[in-house]
Amino acid sequence: EVQLVESGGGLVQPGGSLRLSCAASGFIFSNYWMTWVRQAPGKGLEWVAGISQDGSEQSFVDSVKGRFTISRDNAKSSLYLQMNSLRADDTAFYYCARGAGWYDYWGQGTLVTVSS
Amino acid sequence: QSALTQPASVSGSPGQSITISCTGTSSDVGAYDYVSWYQQHPGKVPKLVIYDVSIRPSGVSNRFSGSKSGNTASLTISGLQAEDEADYYCNSYTSSSPRYVFGTGTKVTVL
Repeated sequence: EVQLVESGGGLVQPGGSLRLSCAASGFIFSNYWMTWVRQAPGKGLEWVAGISQDGSEQSFVDSVKGRFTISRDNAKSSLYLQMNSLRADDTAFYYCARGAGWYDYWGQGTLVTVSS
Repeated sequence: QSALTQPASVSGSPGQSITISCTGTSSDVGAYDYVSWYQQHPGKVPKLVIYDVSIRPSGVSNRFSGSKSGNTASLTISGLQAEDEADYYCNSYTSSSPRYVFGTGTKVTVL
């Protein structure tokens, strides 16, 4: 059974940092592009970042460029999102999702709240 | 890259058909057949219902169908049922940055 389990969310002050993790199981992690999607409470989905199977290709939404980095450890079947210089508008549920053009499996999400 | 444009809400009676539009540009929806659709019930994780414009994943009801014309993709739900009441989002590959973009989302109400 495919599972994606996010962790690392929490309350952080503006300007702070968090590192999100996504532990994958039930499939060959190294075969898939992986994606982070976020959803502010009561708002729509926003594509945040994606990383290719070997990590050589990465893409970010403009609002997080220079602040967020995405990485993966294929040996540990894990995906990461390092978030620096956090702002109030980064407050959202963060989901990891399997795939590039379409996302067939999603984690349950981890809530990041940026507030003083 | 701006979000793809969807109607804020669409409604229909049980048994009817409804169509949700997803309007982009010649740099995203119009250029590639990489449009997908997601259903999200309140408090739940999004679920893939259509990918590559019109392909239905295994296990998804055949009442869901997708199509595309020019810069606009569409999701049609036929034989509308109470369980279809949810938010729906489109997603497309883009030639610019970022690589992918979601639509603004549509709330479907079953009357």
